[in-house]
Amino acid sequence: GDSVTQMEGPVTLSEEAFLTINCTYTATGYPSLFWYVQYPGEGLQLLLKATKADDKGSNKGFEATYRKETTSFHLEKGSVQVSDSAVYFCALSGSRDDKIIFGKGTRLHILP
Amino acid sequence: SAVISQKPSRDICQRGTSLTIQCQVDSQVTMMFWYRQQPGQSLTLIATANQGSEATYESGFVIDKFPISRPNLTFSTLTVSNMSPEDSSIYLCSVLDRLGNTIYFGEGSWLTVV
Repeated sequence: GDSVTQMEGPVTLSEEAFLTINCTYTATGYPSLFWYVQYPGEGLQLLLKATKADDKGSNKGFEATYRKETTSFHLEKGSVQVSDSAVYFCALSGSRDDKIIFGKGTRLHILP
Repeated sequence: SAVISQKPSRDICQRGTSLTIQCQVDSQVTMMFWYRQQPGQSLTLIATANQGSEATYESGFVIDKFPISRPNLTFSTLTVSNMSPEDSSIYLCSVLDRLGNTIYFGEGSWLTVV
């Protein structure tokens, strides 16, 4: 079945560092790909998405490109802030049904 | 985008009791989903709730434990029955926005069973 694998955390970086959180997926057909973020004590928020190959999703300085050849959707940000500290979930929505399947989440700590 | 309201937002429940969580959407949606997020874990899909038909449950979840109602296109409920401390989780309602090809989540209902 469909699945998402993302790098394990926690990831600890200093402010203004470059961030990459790896995400790869397994799916039949052409899924849509998402990154969701969960700030401490809050619900889940959609950060960005991409619906077809080579699409780039971007929001709040974060970017991710849908790479079908490598089945990846890595999250990147050029300069992280303390306020980016949160748990990040990579997810996919299969082309055969609309269920979202989540990765296990990566906890990010940004040090001032 | 869809705006989703969940009630209650938080609750502390006694072992053996049941609690019903409500999910209200500000627009008509075909598909609604219920997820569980146990402490420090990722999200696990409990069931898909479509209006006019019985909910479809994922492996490991059964209707007797998690009965779901979907009376119309803007509302659904999830009941957590005969609760035990292992049911302490965040329960999230989500909906599919087909126009935007995006799934949105409510704020979650944070349940603690004591």
